[in-house]
Amino acid sequence: QQQVKQSPQSLIVQKGGISIINCAYENTAFDYFPWYQQFPGKGPALLIAIRPDVSEKKEGRFTISFNKSAKQFSLHIMDSQPGDSATYFCAANYAGYSTLTFGKGTMLLVSP
Amino acid sequence: DADVTQTPRNRITKTGKRIMLECSQTKGHDRMYWYRQDPGLGLRLIYYSFDVKDINKGEISDGYSVSRQAQAKFSLSLESAIPNQTALYFCATSDVGDRGRNEQFFGPGTRLTVL
Repeated sequence: QQQVKQSPQSLIVQKGGISIINCAYENTAFDYFPWYQQFPGKGPALLIAIRPDVSEKKEGRFTISFNKSAKQFSLHIMDSQPGDSATYFCAANYAGYSTLTFGKGTMLLVSP
Repeated sequence: DADVTQTPRNRITKTGKRIMLECSQTKGHDRMYWYRQDPGLGLRLIYYSFDVKDINKGEISDGYSVSRQAQAKFSLSLESAIPNQTALYFCATSDVGDRGRNEQFFGPGTRLTVL
């Protein structure tokens, strides 16, 4: 099973708040878990990524938390800003094929 | 200059027409991918290629074909377009030497409408 389940589908957060997006997977052959950010009219771009041997990775205001036993990972955006308003996709790399399976995306709106 | 370019950016066509979407990259990457994006469905892999002689089907290859003309060029064709192929199409590239990270670099997308 190569599915990656992402929630919520949409999210509204006030400026300065914390945005949290969750993903879950079943296939233990996934070996790399990136998050992509997409602005309207643009292609997705890598935001931050983590390997399953690490429980947390932080880059600036963005943090990935990874729970290997639960097969879940999440993106936390601290001090959310209106410029963070975008669609976020979690993904998982299937080691045997080096392909990414994407979640269905979360539309984040950060209100001023 | 953009590293991954797609042409056309927008296209409206009619049912039954053949259409080709083109992707070019200057990143020097060996791996190239075609995805389609539909609202609420995320990004789904259509085809991928790890070098000029390697073509692989993705999750949703039916109704599509591809051609890898060179390391830098990867085209997606719809032999007989149908309305449910209306979507946003993205090309992406990645570097085989990135030690398993598989960071993919996306083009700006082609919005295709099939009437």
